Amino acid sequence: AQSVTQLDSHVSVSEGTPVLLRCNYSSSYSPSLFWYVQHPNKGLQLLLKYTSAATLVKGINGFEAEFKKSETSFHLTKPSAHMSDAAEYFCVVTAGTGRRALTFGSGTRLQVQP
Amino acid sequence: DVKVTQSSRYLVKRTGEKVFLECVQDMDHENMFWYRQDPGLGLRLIYFSYDVKMKEKGDIPEGYSVSREKKERFSLILESASTNQTSMYLCASSLRLAGPYEQYFGPGTRLTVT
Repeated sequence: AQSVTQLDSHVSVSEGTPVLLRCNYSSSYSPSLFWYVQHPNKGLQLLLKYTSAATLVKGINGFEAEFKKSETSFHLTKPSAHMSDAAEYFCVVTAGTGRRALTFGSGTRLQVQP
Repeated sequence: DVKVTQSSRYLVKRTGEKVFLECVQDMDHENMFWYRQDPGLGLRLIYFSYDVKMKEKGDIPEGYSVSREKKERFSLILESASTNQTSMYLCASSLRLAGPYEQYFGPGTRLTVT
């Protein structure tokens, strides 16, 4: 079984300040983890993915995430927020063998204040 | 670039109507998915298909059926629409269904059932 919990439904930051979006997962197997972003009226786009090659993963638009097995976490960070980062972010997990679907978190809406 | 298109961005239907949502992908992907997205609940998988005429139920299949007669096209059918099926519907496709695979999403169809 696999599940993912996004700890904040809304996060608000000022432009130029750091962003932290928190995600915890649960999995019976070694997981693959992803962050997707959804801008208003758009489909979801992959930001980054963890596949066990390196615990610190860099994605597009300056985002990165660190896989911490001991904490079962995969938090998304960015050093300096930009207005264009305002969107909804989804943490996603998949694990196990055979055909399996992705499990999405409930989403975190990021607001960026000028 | 992978392109996933959905037949309508907005749809308004009456209770009891039969509703078809169409999805087409142009990258020869084996796997296609239908999700519904509701505020605070993230994305929930309705059905997915791993080959032509092959399908598996997701987390919330009740009230829905699907059809995949051609590799590039995956249809979601609401046999008798109800107001609790008012939602955003997202289609996705992927090349693989194991390992850290990426899904590619369409822009979504916002369905309102009155």
